[in-house]
Amino acid sequence: DGGITQSPKYLFRKEGQNVTLSCEQNLNHDAMYWYRQDPGQGLRLIYYSQIVNDFQKGDIAEGYSVSREKKESFPLTVTSAQKNPTAFYLCASTSAGAGGPREQFFGPGTRLTVL
Amino acid sequence: GQSLEQPSEVTAVEGAIVQINCTYQTSGFYGLSWYQQHDGGAPTFLSYNALDGLEETGRFSSFLSRSDSYGYLLLQELQMKDSASYFCAVREGYSSASKIIFGSGTRLSIRP
Repeated sequence: DGGITQSPKYLFRKEGQNVTLSCEQNLNHDAMYWYRQDPGQGLRLIYYSQIVNDFQKGDIAEGYSVSREKKESFPLTVTSAQKNPTAFYLCASTSAGAGGPREQFFGPGTRLTVL
Repeated sequence: GQSLEQPSEVTAVEGAIVQINCTYQTSGFYGLSWYQQHDGGAPTFLSYNALDGLEETGRFSSFLSRSDSYGYLLLQELQMKDSASYFCAVREGYSSASKIIFGSGTRLSIRP
C-alpha cells in the first residue's frame, strides 16, 4: 500500500539537542511538506520541497533545517535554535503538475516533547 | 498579510446540518480545500473548490465565492464520528506543489 511514514510516533529529547524527524513516501510524489501543529491550533508550514535537491522556507522555518536528497525522503531537523520545539509535526506530500491533484496526503505525525 | 478565518468551535446535534465558514486573505489563490482531523490523528482531505459554486461529495458539500473570498463546508445528517476539527486551506500557486496555507481549524462537537 502506498503512503507516508513518519518515525518515530513519539520522541523525547533534552533541551539543547538537535533531533531529526523522518518522513518517507512511496507515492511517487514530487512535492513534500513539513507542518507544525500546536494544541488546538492549525497547521503552520515549516519547509516545503517541490523537487529533489530544492526546498523553500515556509512561515516558521527558523530553528529548523531540511534536506531532499531523494524523491522519497524529506527529513526535518529540529535544531537547538528552535525556542519552543515541543509540538506535533506532520509531513505531507502531493504530486506536482499545473492545476493537478488537489489533495495533500499526510503521514501519521511525530509528537516531539523536549524536556 | 495572509490569513484564513474560521470559527474556533461549533456544536450541533446528531442528524442535523452544520455549516463551517472560512474567509481568506492570501497573496495568491488557486483553490480552497477542506480537511478533517480527529484528535491525535493526521488531516484527511474532504473537498476542493477552484471555481465558484457548490461541490457535493456524499454528506459533505463545499461552497466557494471568489469575489467574496469566502467558502464554507456543509455537513449533513451529522453522525457522532463527524466530531473532529475541520480546516480550510488555500493553495497559493497554480501547481499542486505550491505553498498551502491552513486556517486555525474549527472544532465540531456533536451531541446525541
